[in-house]
Amino acid sequence: QKEVEQNSGPLSVPEGAIASLNCTYSDRVSQSFFWYRQYSGKSPELIMSIYSNGDKEDGRFTAQLNKASQYVSLLIRDSQPSDSATYLCAVSFSGGYNKLIFGAGTRLAVHP
Amino acid sequence: KAGVTQTPRYLIKTRGQQVTLSCSPISGHRSVSWYQQTPGQGLQFLFEYFSETQRNKGNFPGRFSGRQFSNSRSEMNVSTLELGDSALYLCASSFLPAMGRNSYEQYFGPGTRLTVT
Repeated sequence: QKEVEQNSGPLSVPEGAIASLNCTYSDRVSQSFFWYRQYSGKSPELIMSIYSNGDKEDGRFTAQLNKASQYVSLLIRDSQPSDSATYLCAVSFSGGYNKLIFGAGTRLAVHP
Repeated sequence: KAGVTQTPRYLIKTRGQQVTLSCSPISGHRSVSWYQQTPGQGLQFLFEYFSETQRNKGNFPGRFSGRQFSNSRSEMNVSTLELGDSALYLCASSFLPAMGRNSYEQYFGPGTRLTVT
C-alpha cells in the first residue's frame, strides 16, 4: 500500500477557476507536509509547507491539513495557464529526518 | 542567494560502470537529501546527510552510496550501473528543522539526468 496517494489526473480547469488538489496519507505519525510544483523536464519547486491542522494561505495558494482524516489539499485560486504542471504532495513521517515520501503527483491543465 | 547546484547535468554511462554526482546546497543549509525520479516509481528518497553523517537511508541497494563534506557539499555514487538506474537524480537542501519538527522545507537542484546504456 502506498503511503501517499494522489489522483494522477489530469485535472482540467478553466482559466480563472479554483483548482483543488487532494492528497491522502497512510496511518502513521506524520509531522510535515509539503506541496511541490514540477513543470515538464524541470525539478520540483516548493510551493507550500504546512505543519498543523487548518488552512495556510500564500498568495493564490491555500494548503489545508486535516490530520484526523489524514488528508492534505492545495487550492489554487484564479488558476492561470502557467499553473499547468504536475503537483506533488510530500509527507515527512515521524523519525524520518528530511525524508520526504512523495505521491505520484496530479497533472493540472488550465485551459484559456 | 544562489540555489542548489548539481553537476553534471547530463551523463551517459554504460552498464557496469560507476558514476559520481555532486551537489552544492544553498549557502547556510547543512542538510542534503538525495532522491531518484523515474516515470515508473516517481520520486524516491535515497539518503540524507547532516554534518557529514548519514541520518536516513531509503530502500535502495548498497550500490548507492553518498557522503557529505565539511562545507556541506555532497556526492552520491552508484557502482556497477544497471539499466534500471537510468533516472533523474535530485539533490535537495534544507535548513535545520525547527524544534519539534523532523523536516523543514527542502529546495531542489536542477537534477542530473543519468542514462545507462
